[in-house]
Amino acid sequence: EADIYQTPRYLVIGTGKKITLECSQTMGHDKMYWYQQDPGMELHLIHYSYGVNSTEKGDLSSESTVSRIRTEHFPLTLESARPSHTSQYLCASGAAGRNSPLHFGNGTRLTVT
Amino acid sequence: GENVEQHPSTLSVQEGDSAVIKCTYSDSASNYFPWYKQELGKRPQLIIDIRSNVGEKKDQRIAVTLNKTAKHFSLHITETQPEDSAVYFCAATYNFNKFYFGSGTKLNVKP
Repeated sequence: EADIYQTPRYLVIGTGKKITLECSQTMGHDKMYWYQQDPGMELHLIHYSYGVNSTEKGDLSSESTVSRIRTEHFPLTLESARPSHTSQYLCASGAAGRNSPLHFGNGTRLTVT
Repeated sequence: GENVEQHPSTLSVQEGDSAVIKCTYSDSASNYFPWYKQELGKRPQLIIDIRSNVGEKKDQRIAVTLNKTAKHFSLHITETQPEDSAVYFCAATYNFNKFYFGSGTKLNVKP
């Protein structure tokens, strides 16, 4: 079934560690996004991509980086995790062209101790 | 850029009553307005959307209205049920590339 898959679902990690949150979609979408969200709170755009080799920073600087080497894959990397990074990270995708809403993955709940 | 404001931040209604959530946007070029429902611990799910060439759209108990002149749009839920309890987000976009989200409304439907 076409969907957006995020792994891990939950992650607890110590301060200073490097982590990569995975996001893959089988929907054939060109556009992909990363949002940071404290549970039930506002969505903050941190990175987005309109296609392979295209990445842009969003409105929230989260000291993270992304890459888009393959259409279906859009990983998010934190070089040095901090307690302030504790949050939920949602990946989303959308088809190119008009009339296409965003579809979200199930999210990764990150806790940095 | 676009700025979307959403009110109220929390809404509590009795089961069977109606609920209305309102959003305003700043960019008159915005032409697509989706609404998402996020249940506790789950992903945001699209529940209804409206394009700028339409004033109202309805899907069973859910409806969305758009006033382009005033630059606001609203979500209406009639005959609310406990399973409608969730956080609802409005959004706006003019090019389907960047979506600007409201800050969310936590709806609590009391049985």
